[in-house]
Amino acid sequence: AQTVTQSQPEMSVQEAETVTLSCTYDTSESDYYLFWYKQPPSRQMILVIRQEAYKQQNATENRFSVNFQKAAKSFSLKISDSQLGDAAMYFCAYRSASGTYKYIFGTGTRLKVLA
Amino acid sequence: DTGVSQDPRHKITKRGQNVTFRCDPISEHNRLYWYRQTLGQGPEFLTYFQNEAQLEKSRLLSDRFSAERPKGSFSTLEIQRTEQGDSAMYLCASSREAGWATNEQFFGPGTRLTVL
Repeated sequence: AQTVTQSQPEMSVQEAETVTLSCTYDTSESDYYLFWYKQPPSRQMILVIRQEAYKQQNATENRFSVNFQKAAKSFSLKISDSQLGDAAMYFCAYRSASGTYKYIFGTGTRLKVLA
Repeated sequence: DTGVSQDPRHKITKRGQNVTFRCDPISEHNRLYWYRQTLGQGPEFLTYFQNEAQLEKSRLLSDRFSAERPKGSFSTLEIQRTEQGDSAMYLCASSREAGWATNEQFFGPGTRLTVL
């Protein structure tokens, strides 16, 4: 069975600085997808960034980028130029490339942005 | 695209009562998922529908839980004889058919259940 581990329960970053959130996963599959979702307080989860396992190039979305290391089964999220609105819970999620496409989530990292 | 909606947003009930939650997915999405999120944890998969067919159920979904998606549109999740351990946020998500480029799941705001 696949597992996702987020070892940082909480992280803090100064506004305008850069922060990296860690995620590792375990799977025997070769084809899969990885996601980072953001869950602001009392608001619904929204997709931050997606990575297809077959792509070697790391995904980038504006200030958000990932460092995908397939052999190490690592998928970290880098947030550049942090903004107050980035404060939220961040969840790493794994999804198989076949079957029901259900997500397997990590336990999340709470990001605090300090003014 | 009006997003995934869930009703009610909050539900407080007494132990032993039955509760029902509703999820309205994005209209063109044929895949629908239910997850449960307890405090300090990530969401855990409960069940999955493709159109009206329930194709997978987690072991977390005990006999007291039942989910339906009549006509492949909205879905309901019912919990019978609620227990304090059922207190959690229940999240619904929907996605397009596989093969679409944007087949990530879109989440609703959740229903927070408190069992007294």
